[in-house]
Amino acid sequence: GAVVSQHPSWVICKSGTSVKIECRSLDFQATTMFWYRQFPKQSLMLMATSNEGSKATYEQGVEKDKFLINHASLTLSTLTVTSAHPEDSSFYICSARSGRVTPNYGYTFGSGTRLTVV
Amino acid sequence: QKEVEQNSGPLSVPEGAIASLNCTYSDRGSQSFFWYRQYSGKSPELIMSIYSNGDKEDGRFTAQLNKASQYVSLLIRDSQPSDSATYLCAVNNAGNMLTFGGGTRLMVKP
Repeated sequence: GAVVSQHPSWVICKSGTSVKIECRSLDFQATTMFWYRQFPKQSLMLMATSNEGSKATYEQGVEKDKFLINHASLTLSTLTVTSAHPEDSSFYICSARSGRVTPNYGYTFGSGTRLTVV
Repeated sequence: QKEVEQNSGPLSVPEGAIASLNCTYSDRGSQSFFWYRQYSGKSPELIMSIYSNGDKEDGRFTAQLNKASQYVSLLIRDSQPSDSATYLCAVNNAGNMLTFGGGTRLMVKP
């Protein structure tokens, strides 16, 4: 089945530094990538949607200059948290969608990245 | 206004019982409906998807959809302690993205 590899699974960084999270689709072409953030005991909140080769579309309230998304190829999308602050500490999850309709309608989730900013 | 609503729980059921999880959504144009299970600290995993009104069964799981009432539910028969998790309802509209409910925490007691 479709697999999305997300790295790192956890990262601790100092306040003010940047962190890059990668999501790779291993056996399919991810035409669309969704990036979610999940705070403790809360649901997944969509941050942005990106299509390969074009600029990401950010949800209201998400700073595009702080959360840089690059979807340069059909198998790789990255999220860079710039100038991270403790309030950015969260669980970040990517979800890739292929152009084909699969049993789960094409949404495949990465394993998530636990970011802690100290 | 939230687009997808779920009771946050916790819903506590004894082992072997039926767990009933409910979800309502606001967008009448929604086309696809999904139930995900999420263990603490892990990514969601798909349990069921449903697109048409009625019931869809897969093993111990049954999804029910009523588009007129904008209601989708998940029944888990013969609940096991390993079913203890947060269950997320997700809805897809023509906009190509999933909108998640807040999740219901299920606890199955041995």
